[in-house]
Amino acid sequence: AQTVTQSQPEMSVQEAETVTLSCTYDTSESDYYLFWYKQPPSRQMILVIRQEAYKQQNATENRFSVNFQKAAKSFSLKISDSQLGDAAMYFCAYISRQGGSEKLVFGKGTKLTENP
Amino acid sequence: DAGITQSPRHKVTETGTPVTLRCHQTENHRYMYWYRQDPGHGLRLIHYSYGVKDTDKGEVSDGYSVSRSKTEDFLLTLESATSSQTSVYFCAIRRDASQETQYFGPGTRLLVL
Repeated sequence: AQTVTQSQPEMSVQEAETVTLSCTYDTSESDYYLFWYKQPPSRQMILVIRQEAYKQQNATENRFSVNFQKAAKSFSLKISDSQLGDAAMYFCAYISRQGGSEKLVFGKGTKLTENP
Repeated sequence: DAGITQSPRHKVTETGTPVTLRCHQTENHRYMYWYRQDPGHGLRLIHYSYGVKDTDKGEVSDGYSVSRSKTEDFLLTLESATSSQTSVYFCAIRRDASQETQYFGPGTRLLVL
């Protein structure tokens, strides 16, 4: 079964600095998608960034970028110029279509706190 | 805003009672999903639908059933609620042209006493 591992239960960052959240996954498929979702205290799940496995170029969205290492099955999220509003739970996720059905497999999350 | 609403947003019920949660979308997307979120587990898929009356099980489907009689509504039913079903439930849709990305509703907090 596919798994997604976030090895850092909690991280902290100073305002305006850069932080990197780690994610590794396990799959035997060659075509898949990876995501980072943000969940603030409101509990709303917000898409941060998406990466297609067939693309070698790392995805970027404003202050958010990923380091996608397909061979290593690693998908880390870098947040630059951190802001207070970045404090949230961050979930790494993977789309699987194994066995003819589809699912989105989530990691257990990393709690990011901001130090002003 | 992905045009997804969930009702109710909060519910307290007793063990053994039936509970139905509703997910409503305004954009006529084909794929809809139900997840539960528990501490230490992230989100786990319960059921999903790929069209009217077309549904499939996820990894934690025991104790849950779903129905989709209209494109815009996806219902999740707990036939006889148990305390282990206390959770936050999220509905999601997949925009067909969005390359697999799922967009989530605001969640329903369910407490089973």
